[in-house]
Parts: sequence; structure tokens; C-alpha cells
Amino acid sequence: QVTLRESGPALVKPTETLTLTCTFSGFSLSTSLMCVSWIRQPPGKALEWLARIDWEDDKYYSTSLKTRLTISKDTSKNQVVLTMTNMDPVDTATYYCARSSGSYLGGTLDYWGQGTLVTVSS
Amino acid sequence: NFMLTQPHSVSESPGKTVTISCTRSSGSIASNYVQWYQQRPGSSPTTVIYEDTQRPSGVPDRFSGSIDSSSNSASLTISGLKTEDEADYYCQSYDSSNVVFGGGTKLTVL
Repeated sequence: QVTLRESGPALVKPTETLTLTCTFSGFSLSTSLMCVSWIRQPPGKALEWLARIDWEDDKYYSTSLKTRLTISKDTSKNQVVLTMTNMDPVDTATYYCARSSGSYLGGTLDYWGQGTLVTVSS
Repeated sequence: NFMLTQPHSVSESPGKTVTISCTRSSGSIASNYVQWYQQRPGSSPTTVIYEDTQRPSGVPDRFSGSIDSSSNSASLTISGLKTEDEADYYCQSYDSSNVVFGGGTKLTVL
């Protein structure tokens, strides 16, 4: 059974760095073709893809946010970490991690975490 | 970067058929797979169509996907609408360096 769970602070201040952890089970990021992505959704708005890391440790970032994002994995802990620097109130959103499999970037996000709401406010 | 444009909202009666479009702004819609996700209020998205036309196990065959190269768009069609189909629907595709979601379509079944 595949599960993913996001964890991190519910509240961050403007200009701070956000660190989110995705802890998963039911698959391994050392297995060929396995990938984990981060996606966010501001309240009442659309989904926005942020970043992806794959089994070979290849990393992809949203063009518009790449200067602020870093994604990494700890295969032994079954965790993927996303950091986002210089947080702003417009970054207030529910942040999801999700699994995909396949060699192409836009593979189906077949399992999602429940999401974690991050509010950016002073 | 390309964009995926969806209608903001659609509505239809139970038992009817509705089609939601997803138009790609640049690059061929046929060059990269399109996925469709359903998101009910307060829940995480789930896949209803993957790789343009494929349906995950457990998704009813009332859901179908298609690609139209002439309009550079993908479509999600839901037939025999049920009240439980009321949700937001998002298309998703990609290119060599980016994954893109459409703006979402709110389906109301009334």
C-alpha cells in the first residue's frame, strides 16, 4: 500500500525559508522509474507543480520558481525534502507531495499525500 | 513555457454527458501525454485519465479522454453524470523541463 505524508511548519514569516518533508511508504526511490513531485495549491486556486526528483537523483524545477527551490531525497529514510527560500504571503498554499513512475517528466501522479497548509504571515 | 487552458466551469444535469476541454498554448498536444485529475472539496486530487485515454482501475468507464490535434486540445468526457461527479477537474501535461496543470474546471451536476 502506497502512502505519502507531508510535514512541516504551518506558519512561516515573510523572507523565511520553508522546509517540507514528504515521508512515504509502499515504494522505494531507489527503484527504477520511481519519482516524487511537490505540487501546491493556493486557497481556492489551481494546482501548481513545483519540483520532481527521481530514482537516479535527477531533479526538475518549475521554471518560474527554480531559483527558490531545492529538492532532495534520503532513500534510507524514504523521505523527500523541499526547501523554498524567501517566502512571501503569495506562497500561502496547501503543499502536496505525490508519486509518479516512468521515465518521462510528466508521468501520472498516481498517489498523493493529504497535503499540508502553509500560511505565510508576519 | 506553455499553458493549458480549461473552461472555468461547466454544469449539466444528472444522466447527461459533459465534455471538458484543455487547450495547449504552444507545442503539440499529441507530443506529450495528458493526465486528468478529479479533486473533490477538501480532498487530494485523484487520477481519472492518464496517458491521454487510459483509465485507472476503479475509475468508471463513464470517464473517457481524447486528443484532438486540429484544435491542439485534450478533452475529458463524463457520460451518465452522477451527483458524485461534482468536483474540480484538472488537466496536466509537460515538456522537456516543466510540468503544467490547467487552471481547473468546476463541474456542477444539478
